[in-house]
Amino acid sequence: GESVGLHLPTLSVQEGDNSIINCAYSNSASDYFIWYKQESGKGPQFIIDIRSNMDKRQGQRVTVLLNKTVKHLSLQIAATQPGDSAVYFCAENKGGNTDKLIFGTGTRLQVFP
Amino acid sequence: DSGVTQTPKHLITATGQRVTLRCSPRSGDLSVYWYQQSLDQGLQFLIQYYNGEERAKGNILERFSAQQFPDLHSELNLSSLELGDSALYFCASSVGRRGATGELFFGEGSRLTVL
Repeated sequence: GESVGLHLPTLSVQEGDNSIINCAYSNSASDYFIWYKQESGKGPQFIIDIRSNMDKRQGQRVTVLLNKTVKHLSLQIAATQPGDSAVYFCAENKGGNTDKLIFGTGTRLQVFP
Repeated sequence: DSGVTQTPKHLITATGQRVTLRCSPRSGDLSVYWYQQSLDQGLQFLIQYYNGEERAKGNILERFSAQQFPDLHSELNLSSLELGDSALYFCASSVGRRGATGELFFGEGSRLTVL
């Protein structure tokens, strides 16, 4: 069935370090991937996205890497800050008639001083 | 602020009851999506509407139904409520052009508690 999964449920990092959150997806037909950040009590917020014709995309302090060979997606956060503490979700879209997103279970990022 | 508005923010009700959750999409967005998020879980896709018509269906129970009105706002109806229906219900919107993929904009959610 459709699934997007995460390797680690919780990631603890020290402030200032780089964080890497991983995600595995199962559908090789997926052509669009996106990372969302969800803070406690809030709705998911867009971080960065990438299409299947790319293998890397950079934003402000964030980088998404896509490895289609092994169906793996990662989110790298540089110089992690306390405000980065949240749950991070990867999601995929298979294209076609609908642009619905299928979400993974999420990774909780905890930043400690 | 994503521009997506959901009401109510919190709702407490009893088993067997029926509730309606409301969503106003971003201005100009034609697609509305409903997701359910149980405690410490991911977001489960329920249903998508595009310009008033159902476009995609996920793991939505038969006790649940939704619709999108001509003014593009959407309602999610949950009936014969059970304890396990307690969750956060998110609405999202997008432009939704056929074949176009992109960011979904999420509301702040409606927290439903069934006692």
